[in-house]
Amino acid sequence: QVQLVQSGAEVKEPGASVKVSCKAFGYTFNDYYMHWVRQAPGQGLEWMGWINPDSGGSEFAQKFQGRVTMTRDTSINTAYMELTDLRSDDTAFYYCARAWLAPYYFDYWGQGTLVTVSS
Amino acid sequence: QTVVTQEPSFSVSPGGTVTLTCGLSSDSVSTSNYPSWYQQTPGQAPRTLIYNTNTRSSGVPDRFSGSILGNKAALTITGAQADDESDYYCLLYMGSVNWVFGGGTKLTVL
Repeated sequence: QVQLVQSGAEVKEPGASVKVSCKAFGYTFNDYYMHWVRQAPGQGLEWMGWINPDSGGSEFAQKFQGRVTMTRDTSINTAYMELTDLRSDDTAFYYCARAWLAPYYFDYWGQGTLVTVSS
Repeated sequence: QTVVTQEPSFSVSPGGTVTLTCGLSSDSVSTSNYPSWYQQTPGQAPRTLIYNTNTRSSGVPDRFSGSILGNKAALTITGAQADDESDYYCLLYMGSVNWVFGGGTKLTVL
């Protein structure tokens, strides 16, 4: 069955970078875009961007332009999200989510990765 | 900047019916926004309930339904149960680089 398994929790200092992984099981990895969504403690969901695993192309929400990179390794069915220049307000759970196109929605979610930014 | 609006909180009695809405600050929601709805309980990842306005995701009970009501997307729970007490988020597609979540509705069943 379809599963998205994310890497473990991270603690980073302000100004550092973090790279979160999302390994896909149970489907053809290249056939579905992968999105990243984050959720700060006690707050709502925030869309960050997507990567097309087939082409490697990606797009991001304007808020994250210049700080986020999304990549993939198709040999191991894994997508990555790297966020640089971390600030305290980047403390959040980061989720990967598999996306359908037309209709546009997320059908499977990773379990989430907590990134804590603290000195 | 696109702002998607949801009621911050709602309360329903067990067995009752509740309709949560999802609007746009400066436009109407239509089927072209492909509204989808997600349920989230504390400490868990979101779960997909409804997509493409009114299609239930696999395994979702038929007491959950989606629609367009006036100029908003809507999620209706008919015959609410205790374990429906969760946060509910809508998602609107506004373009390939603009997928926008609402702020979420905290639903209490009591």
